[in-house]
Amino acid sequence: DADVTQTPRNRITKTGKRIMLECSQTKGHDRMYWYRQDPGLGLRLIYYSFDVKDINKGEISDGYSVSRQAQAKFSLSLESAIPNQTALYFCATSDFPGQGTPNTGELFFGEGSRLTVL
Amino acid sequence: AQSVTQLGSHVSVSEGALVLLRCNYSSSVPPYLFWYVQYPNQGLQLLLKYTTGATLVKGINGFEAEFKKSETSFHLTKPSAHMSDAAEYFCAVRSGGYNKLIFGAGTRLAVHP
Repeated sequence: DADVTQTPRNRITKTGKRIMLECSQTKGHDRMYWYRQDPGLGLRLIYYSFDVKDINKGEISDGYSVSRQAQAKFSLSLESAIPNQTALYFCATSDFPGQGTPNTGELFFGEGSRLTVL
Repeated sequence: AQSVTQLGSHVSVSEGALVLLRCNYSSSVPPYLFWYVQYPNQGLQLLLKYTTGATLVKGINGFEAEFKKSETSFHLTKPSAHMSDAAEYFCAVRSGGYNKLIFGAGTRLAVHP
């Protein structure tokens, strides 16, 4: 089983609908991230979280919200989806100093959630 | 602020030829640098990383990269391309102390017979 699991893997929805993308991890990492991938733009950070009480905006947070329900779960919501939110979304995790390994900044990614907004 | 530039959005090589994917970075602090690979319909997988120490870093699948501070570069190479290397490759730099990675736009590598 994957260490970082995203659901759904594919979703087609209509403009104005509310959408939630879910991420769960078994790596025991405290830090979790949501990135968006668009062709020619690479990956851009939407939100990140250090623990259940710590949520931070990334570079493109407008139109998105997140919830950290537990250490292992981090969900991304689009309250009212619009077509330019059509993209591939990735959840990622990382460790931090003190968990037994050097903090190199490496991210561990899920397999992605492809969202199409019509 | 940190940033990453990948030169060439598409690179095409013959099987057995040298692979060279270019990455230049901007960072106000000593950088941590990464190369990730994305195969079709999959997530990103770490190829290699530079944090400190030896500037020539070896990764998985025969790839390596050299950190050159004077050139602010971290180019990815592989001596002999295989068909299975066809994928999209992303260079990234760590931003700040929160493990936020700043990614380049990506380079799609095609390998032809």
